[in-house]
Amino acid sequence: DIPMTQSPATLSLSPGERATLSCRASQSVSSNLAWYQQKSGQAPRLLIYGASTRATGIPARFSGSRSGTEFNLTISSLQSEDFAVYSCQQYNTWPHTFGQGTKLETK
Amino acid sequence: EVQLVQSGAEVKKPGESLKISCKGSGYSFTSYWIGWVRQMPGKGLEWMGIIDPSDSETRYSPPFQGQVTISADKSINTAYLQWSTLRASDTAMYYCARLYSKYGHPYYMDVWGRGTTVTVSS
Repeated sequence: DIPMTQSPATLSLSPGERATLSCRASQSVSSNLAWYQQKSGQAPRLLIYGASTRATGIPARFSGSRSGTEFNLTISSLQSEDFAVYSCQQYNTWPHTFGQGTKLETK
Repeated sequence: EVQLVQSGAEVKKPGESLKISCKGSGYSFTSYWIGWVRQMPGKGLEWMGIIDPSDSETRYSPPFQGQVTISADKSINTAYLQWSTLRASDTAMYYCARLYSKYGHPYYMDVWGRGTTVTVSS
């Protein structure tokens, strides 16, 4: 298995602020990394795949980047609907492991 | 519209068996792998395993190998997750998801079902 480590566990910010969430792979996963958003009581939703490509319908304020085995999800200016749990997932190697999630909460 | 419709919530006793379903529509069911993801109460997402509905090839994450069975019936565009002997620790939300696939190789989960809640309690 490839453990995926997300940080921080919880991020407290205000609407309008910039959020940066991190995900680290224990070994190379190339750019085979996805980010998902999960709002309370809802199923996850694909945000980013290929480390930096936004999924269909995802606003431009969401962006993804990669540096080696470190991945970031950035939300440029937080909207009220962005407060949720964000999970990364590598799909380079079986099994396709998820990170433990980062909860983005209102400060 | 592409969608995955999951079966309803289940309440079972320890030792019982269970089979939950996930029906795909709006796309070619045999062109995409289907995966199952567990989310225990208050916890993160866990990748359980996936199936290629075209030939029923399956891959399991080690913690779930031998504990659950993933299957599919391509004639009715439906994938299944089943347990032969439920435990209280199987209490969780279970999501199915379609995996974007290219040249038959599965990648990320691009369409998700709404989830099936499974409660196992005596």
